[in-house]
Amino acid sequence: AQSVAQPEDQVNVAEGNPLTVKCTYSVSGNPYLFWYVQYPNRGLQFLLKYITGDNLVKGSYGFEAEFNKSQTSFHLKKPSALVSDSALYFCAVRDIWTGRRALTFGSGTRLQVQP
Amino acid sequence: DGGITQSPKYLFRKEGQNVTLSCEQNLNHDAMYWYRQDPGQGLRLIYYSQIVNDFQKGDIAEGYSVSREKKESFPLTVTSAQKNPTAFYLCASTLQDLGQGSTEAFFGQGTRLTVV
Repeated sequence: AQSVAQPEDQVNVAEGNPLTVKCTYSVSGNPYLFWYVQYPNRGLQFLLKYITGDNLVKGSYGFEAEFNKSQTSFHLKKPSALVSDSALYFCAVRDIWTGRRALTFGSGTRLQVQP
Repeated sequence: DGGITQSPKYLFRKEGQNVTLSCEQNLNHDAMYWYRQDPGQGLRLIYYSQIVNDFQKGDIAEGYSVSREKKESFPLTVTSAQKNPTAFYLCASTLQDLGQGSTEAFFGQGTRLTVV
């Protein structure tokens, strides 16, 4: 079975400071990993993904994430937070070796960036 | 513009009624998915379909039904057997993964269902 944990319900950061949103995963094989962002009453928007290759993945809006296989983590990062980054962030995983071709999502982390 | 359209945006259901949520995509994607979102619980998979005329149950399929008669359409019916249907419902689609990589899922804007 595949699963994702986002240990923080909310992350608070001041504008201009670096931000990190944590994600750990569990799969039986190799993972496909994704980050999505959601604004109020909207669908999810894709930010970035890890499939294979370089462990540091760069995505939309200046976000990046680092895949760490030994720690089974895929933390989302940004060097300098903006107030407009305030939203709900979801990590998702798919185990490429299972027959279930659907993403499993974490519970979400609310990012609040203070001006 | 290509994308996924969910309708209606807001839906109200009386006790004992069945309601159907619409999901249409013009991305020519093979796979489509329905998720339910509740506060603090993230997204939970209800049903998914890899190809036309085929679909599989997700983690919380009880009280829901789907059909996939056309590639571009994947409607979700919330039946009276679903005892707590009030939630935000999200439809998504992806290109078919043929084992050579995986594409990201594209999401609709959601339907908020409320039982009155």
